[in-house]
Amino acid sequence: EVQLVASGGGLVQPGRSLRLSCAASGFTFDDYAMYWVRQAPGKGLEWVARVRWNSGFTDYADSVTGRFTISRDNANNSLYLQMDSLRGEDTALYFCAKAMYLMPATGPLDVWGQGTMVTVSS
Amino acid sequence: EIVLTQSPGTLSLSPGERVTLSCKASQSVSGNDLAWYQQKPGQAPRLLIYGASSRATGIPDRFSGSGSGTDFSLTISRLESEDFAVYYCQHYGISPRSFGQGTKLEI
Repeated sequence: EVQLVASGGGLVQPGRSLRLSCAASGFTFDDYAMYWVRQAPGKGLEWVARVRWNSGFTDYADSVTGRFTISRDNANNSLYLQMDSLRGEDTALYFCAKAMYLMPATGPLDVWGQGTMVTVSS
Repeated sequence: EIVLTQSPGTLSLSPGERVTLSCKASQSVSGNDLAWYQQKPGQAPRLLIYGASSRATGIPDRFSGSGSGTDFSLTISRLESEDFAVYYCQHYGISPRSFGQGTKLEI
């Protein structure tokens, strides 16, 4: 079964850091681009970041550029999101998701994790 | 940056009705790289349609997508109770791979 399990969320003070993880199973992890998407409470979906073959091929939403870093460990089938200089507006449920197509293509997001909640508050 | 605008924001409908949701892009979506997702409360989104009109695996044929360029739509031919949810469109050809703001279908 193809599965993504996100973890690492919690309550953090503004300006601090947090690292999210996503464990993948059931597919050849290093064949697919991976994403983080977030959803603030009661709001819509916001694309956050994408990583392709390795951590050298990444892109980000403007709202997180320079503060968040997406990376992957292909040997351990894991995706990460390092979040620095956190702000109140980063409070959201963070989903990891898999691209549908084999790389170099990416495509839509066909498998999603259950999400991990990040709350930024003093 | 491509901005996606969905309409309407909320629709109140009954089971058995037909509904069409709209997603308009601020510039042309190349290759029809446009997807639709369904999200129910407390759940992760689920991919319904990709390439503007192709159904994802396991999606019932009452769901159909159409459109090209800047105008796209999702049609549900006959609503069932489990279809009442929020629907999002997303373009995925170039970054930022943004989502529309969503359309909520309610009974």
